[in-house]
Amino acid sequence: GEDVEQSLFLSVREGDSSVINCTYTDSSSTYLYWYKQEPGAGLQLLTYIFSNMDMKQDQRLTVLLNKKDKHLSLRIADTQTGDSAIYFCAVPYSGGGADGLTFGKGTHLIIQP
Amino acid sequence: DAGVTQSPTHLIKTRGQQVTLRCSPKSGHDTVSWYQQALGQGPQFIFQYYEEEERQRGNFPDRFSGHQFPNYSSELNVNALLLGDSALYLCASSRGQGAPGELFFGEGSRLTVL
Repeated sequence: GEDVEQSLFLSVREGDSSVINCTYTDSSSTYLYWYKQEPGAGLQLLTYIFSNMDMKQDQRLTVLLNKKDKHLSLRIADTQTGDSAIYFCAVPYSGGGADGLTFGKGTHLIIQP
Repeated sequence: DAGVTQSPTHLIKTRGQQVTLRCSPKSGHDTVSWYQQALGQGPQFIFQYYEEEERQRGNFPDRFSGHQFPNYSSELNVNALLLGDSALYLCASSRGQGAPGELFFGEGSRLTVL
């Protein structure tokens, strides 16, 4: 089945950029997603990218996709304390379509003052 | 506009018991998915319901079953509970014809099995 890998922790200083990385195994994934989970809350969709794109920018968020290396990254510019959360990379469970998702274990983003 | 609501928020069961968790989707959504999130892990896909049918299923045993009602609400049932079933169970809703992967999650039902 699909496998999604992320590093578990990332620590950055407030105001710096954060880059969260993800690798996946299924090359047929049509869409790739980033979700955010704040303490005690459900997951929230941050952004997604279609597999025929290399980059997508949405305000402070930039998603980069390297299909050859099966590598996805999320860059958060000007990181704020409110960005402190767990960030999950996700790809379609079946490798296509938009049904169930396979999530990585999540990257804990820690903001230092 | 109410988002995804789940009940109960917390519950404690003992091994061998059965549990039913409930989910009401966001208004306008017709598709409900269930996920299991163990401590320190990402959510794992259990199954998805659309038009009252199980449309897709993850790698979970038959002890996990579900149902979707005509009003799109859904239940997750787990039989013969094991200690390893202790987790946060998340419900997510979406529109069958909506944006891909745009799942709206509830805050979850935390199940503890003793």
